Amino acid sequence: KAGVTQTPRYLIKTRGQQVTLSCSPISGHRSVSWYQQTPGQGLQFLFEYFSETQRNKGNFPGRFSGRQFSNSRSEMNVSTLELGDSALYLCASSLSTGANVLTFGAGSRLTVL
Amino acid sequence: EDQVTQSPEALRLQEGESSSLNCSYTVSGLRGLFWYRQDPGKGPEFLFTLYSAGEEKEKERLKATLTKKESFLHITAPKPEDSATYLCAVQVRSNDYKLSFGAGTTVTVRA
Repeated sequence: KAGVTQTPRYLIKTRGQQVTLSCSPISGHRSVSWYQQTPGQGLQFLFEYFSETQRNKGNFPGRFSGRQFSNSRSEMNVSTLELGDSALYLCASSLSTGANVLTFGAGSRLTVL
Repeated sequence: EDQVTQSPEALRLQEGESSSLNCSYTVSGLRGLFWYRQDPGKGPEFLFTLYSAGEEKEKERLKATLTKKESFLHITAPKPEDSATYLCAVQVRSNDYKLSFGAGTTVTVRA
């Protein structure tokens, strides 16, 4: 079966711009979580969505936002990009909120110049 | 604050040379401890979940164990294809289901 699909895989932006990343979960999975991965901080939780509702949010500024659609697909947006936002953004899906096993996508590599 | 510390940061092994990775945690009520494997350019891949001290899980050359303060991932007779970054994560008993990850251990197995 198809895994978690993230688009785009790579993108380059400049400071001050905004970016939208997309995530299509595994069919039947209703929970989508987003993580940021950097060499210095490792994997850090951004937020989780279930049934189009944000269930949990990590310690990131309000420039980071997300949403989930009725088909469980999710998008995250980062506004007013900063150099420090350069990272691998990973999406993970699971059957339901609080489910133990997350299936990750390959990630979207964002470079901010 | 919940803390997850993995050691060593990097591990270079000869093929067939068994070793262990450590994940120590300080959390207020462990709901579960997870091990993931991450290959370059890919997202983490789930390996194991451990829920209580004394629990063990095995998969091929990997065996994960859990105590009240730490978890070990034992790699027995590793092969080059076991080269990857191994990530440990904890989930805490609360309404917050997020995973808190350690920094990972990068394992390189030479033929």
